[in-house]
Amino acid sequence: GDSVTQMEGPVTLSEEAFLTINCTYTATGYPSLFWYVQYPGEGLQLLLKATKADDKGSNKGFEATYRKETTSFHLEKGSVQVSDSAVYFCALRPNTNAGKSTFGDGTTLTVKP
Amino acid sequence: SQTIHQWPATLVQPVGSPLSLECTVEGTSNPNLYWYRQAAGRGLQLLFYSVGIGQISSEVPQNLSASRPQDRQFILSSKKLLLSDSGFYLCAWSVWDRATGELFFGEGSRLTVL
Repeated sequence: GDSVTQMEGPVTLSEEAFLTINCTYTATGYPSLFWYVQYPGEGLQLLLKATKADDKGSNKGFEATYRKETTSFHLEKGSVQVSDSAVYFCALRPNTNAGKSTFGDGTTLTVKP
Repeated sequence: SQTIHQWPATLVQPVGSPLSLECTVEGTSNPNLYWYRQAAGRGLQLLFYSVGIGQISSEVPQNLSASRPQDRQFILSSKKLLLSDSGFYLCAWSVWDRATGELFFGEGSRLTVL
């Protein structure tokens, strides 16, 4: 079955540091790939997505590129802020109507001033 | 615009008591609906999904059940809660005809079973 493996956390960075959270996946066909973010006590919200190979998703300074050859979708940000502290989830969704998403275990990011 | 609401936000229940969590979606028709559970410090586990009224698919055998009595209403239930049912429950929806679309999540319901 489908699976998503995320870099284990927690990750602690200083403000303005560079962020990378690794994500690799296993799936048949050509799934869509997503990064979701969860702030404390809240539900998840979409951060960015890519629907085909070599697509780059971007939002709020975060970027991730769909790499089919390495089955990866690593999340990056050049300069993190304290407000970026949250849990980040990598996910995939197969291109079927039911589209059941598979999530990684999440990576907790703490940014210190 | 579309919105999703779920309630209650927080629930403390004794072992063996019943459970009902409700989720409604506004501003869209015929959405795919999902119930996920998030255990402390872990990822999301898909419990149920529905592609239409009365159509429920279960992903994990357990003492929970789901129902979809109306197009935009999704209910998670249990007749007798177990300690292991504690967790953060998330309802989500997606556009039914866009297989590449993202999930839209509710605010979550935190259940503690004592």
